[in-house]
Amino acid sequence: GAVVSQHPSRVICKSGTSVKIECRSLDFQATTMFWYRQFPKKSLMLMATSNEGSKATYEQGVEKDKFLINHASLTLSTLTVTSAHPEDSSFYICSASRRTGPHEQYFGPGTRLTVT
Amino acid sequence: DAKTTQPPSMDCAEGRAANLPCNHSTISGNEYVYWYRQIHSQGPQYIIHGLKNNETNEMASLIITEDRKSSTLILPHATLRDTAVYYCIVRVGGTSYGKLTFGQGTILTVHP
Repeated sequence: GAVVSQHPSRVICKSGTSVKIECRSLDFQATTMFWYRQFPKKSLMLMATSNEGSKATYEQGVEKDKFLINHASLTLSTLTVTSAHPEDSSFYICSASRRTGPHEQYFGPGTRLTVT
Repeated sequence: DAKTTQPPSMDCAEGRAANLPCNHSTISGNEYVYWYRQIHSQGPQYIIHGLKNNETNEMASLIITEDRKSSTLILPHATLRDTAVYYCIVRVGGTSYGKLTFGQGTILTVHP
């Protein structure tokens, strides 16, 4: 099956700093990527939809200036958590879908962010 | 997208079939049923999807009732590695670029 990677898998940062998370589709071109966050024992919550070459579409309640998304190529999307605070600590997961072909979305392994 | 209802948890003995139900009574004619699972601290994994016919792949079978108001995911011979949260999601269309809305899912525990 298709492979989606995320980097880093874990990151610890200090409050006030910014953190960038990368999401890559390794063996296919992804016209659309999605970013989710997940708190402990909770379900995934969609944050934004990232389309290659255009601005991301954010879900209601997600601050676009806080969570910067860039989808510069068909294989890479980045999520930057700006001025991180402890409440931003979470599990961030991306998914990617092909331009054509199978219906399923492919998920990355996730990035565990801890803000101290 | 239509709302789904799943039991919060289920148990299954290793080697037996696991049958996970999902209610989607407000499903529309152009909405598909998708199943994903998430093993602890990993990204979700696609299992199977269907529109109205029953489907089977190497992982599971999907049985959709004739009125499409409910479905059942069947893992024919559950193993300990099948312990995970299983999500039933209903989504418009058969394309891959529509967003997925995750509910609370069913925690399946497979025990020896």
